[in-house]
Amino acid sequence: DAGVTQSPTHLIKTRGQQVTLRCSPKSGHDTVSWYQQALGQGPQFIFQYYEEEERQRGNFPDRFSGHQFPNYSSELNVNALLLGDSALYLCASSRLSGITGELFFGEGSRLTVL
Amino acid sequence: DAKTTQPNSMESNEEEPVHLPCNHSTISGTDYIHWYRQLPSQGPEYVIHGLTSNVNNRMASLAIAEDRKSSTLILHRATLRDAAVYYCILRDVRAGNTGKLIFGQGTTLQVKP
Repeated sequence: DAGVTQSPTHLIKTRGQQVTLRCSPKSGHDTVSWYQQALGQGPQFIFQYYEEEERQRGNFPDRFSGHQFPNYSSELNVNALLLGDSALYLCASSRLSGITGELFFGEGSRLTVL
Repeated sequence: DAKTTQPNSMESNEEEPVHLPCNHSTISGTDYIHWYRQLPSQGPEYVIHGLTSNVNNRMASLAIAEDRKSSTLILHRATLRDAAVYYCILRDVRAGNTGKLIFGQGTTLQVKP
């Protein structure tokens, strides 16, 4: 049973560009959340998708947007990249109806903005 | 959101027990206590969670104070593979299985051979 998979694992962009990161949730999971983790910090919640809609959002600007597809996979898009967007982007999946609410995280996509 | 406080770092010797403390004095009656850990170059991994009673699973034990204002994650025999950042997180059960977790700085555990 594959866990949460993310792609790409590493990428380099320049300021002003746009980036798309992808996530496939764990089998049987219907909810995908995205996190940003700056170096030396704990992950910060960006937003959560369920039934192809954004359900909850953290304190991130509109440059950060997402999408969830019918197969539950998800994309994170970041427009007009800033140097401060350099971070590890983590995807987590879960089942909304699950009892424990345990989140399963992928290994992340490391974004460097030059 | 209720806040947790953890020591920045701790050290342990291999094969000895480790007690990782967490203070959460503003915890509400509907907050679950969750623990996640993050190994180097990996995403966070669920460890354990509890509400009022002590909990055990294959990875660890969670001891919760009677007033619920603090808790302790116990690794019974630390291995080198347990070296990670450990996060103590409060999660309001009324929010359902939301994907939102609020991570603090966590405790960096070093395990010495």
